[in-house]
Amino acid sequence: EVQLVESGGGLVQPGGSLRLSCAASGFTFSSYWMSWVRQAPGKGLEWVANIKQDGSEKYYVDSVKGRFTISRDNAKNSLYLQMNSLRAEDTAVYYCARDEAAAGNWFDPWGQGTLVTVSS
Amino acid sequence: QSVLTQPPSVSGAPGQRVTISCTGSSSNIGAGYDVHWYQQLPGTAPKLLIYGNSNRPSGVPDRFSGSKSGTSASLAITGLQAEDEADYYCQSYDSSLSARVFGGGTKLTVL
Repeated sequence: EVQLVESGGGLVQPGGSLRLSCAASGFTFSSYWMSWVRQAPGKGLEWVANIKQDGSEKYYVDSVKGRFTISRDNAKNSLYLQMNSLRAEDTAVYYCARDEAAAGNWFDPWGQGTLVTVSS
Repeated sequence: QSVLTQPPSVSGAPGQRVTISCTGSSSNIGAGYDVHWYQQLPGTAPKLLIYGNSNRPSGVPDRFSGSKSGTSASLAITGLQAEDEADYYCQSYDSSLSARVFGGGTKLTVL
């Protein structure tokens, strides 16, 4: 069964840092692009970042450029999101998703999400 | 303001047909990029419903169908059931933003 499990969310003060992790299983992780997508409370979905199979290409939404870094460890079947200089508007549930970048840019499957709250 | 525009809500009675529109522009849907649809049941993660404009993943009932024309796309749900009550999102790629983009979401209420 293909599965994605996020962890690392929590409460952090504005200006602080947090590192999210996503453990993948049930598929060949190293063969797929991966993405992070977030959803602010009561709001819609926003793509945050994605990374190529070998980590050689990374893309970000403008609002997080220079603050967030996506990375992966194919040996550990894991995806990461390092979030620095966090702001209140970064408060959201963060989902990791397998990214079908080669086929047409859709996301499937999604993890259950981890909540990040930025507040003093 | 989302790059792709969806109606905030739609509703229908059990057994009826509803459609959800997704309107984009010349830099996303109109540029030929595929449209995908997701269903998010209350309190759960989004689930892929339609990919590549009109394709259903394995396990998705054929009551769900997608189409695309010009700068817009649509999701149709026939034979509405109570369990279809959820939020639905369209998604594509925008070349001017160099980013995957979503619609604002549509809440489907089954009356």
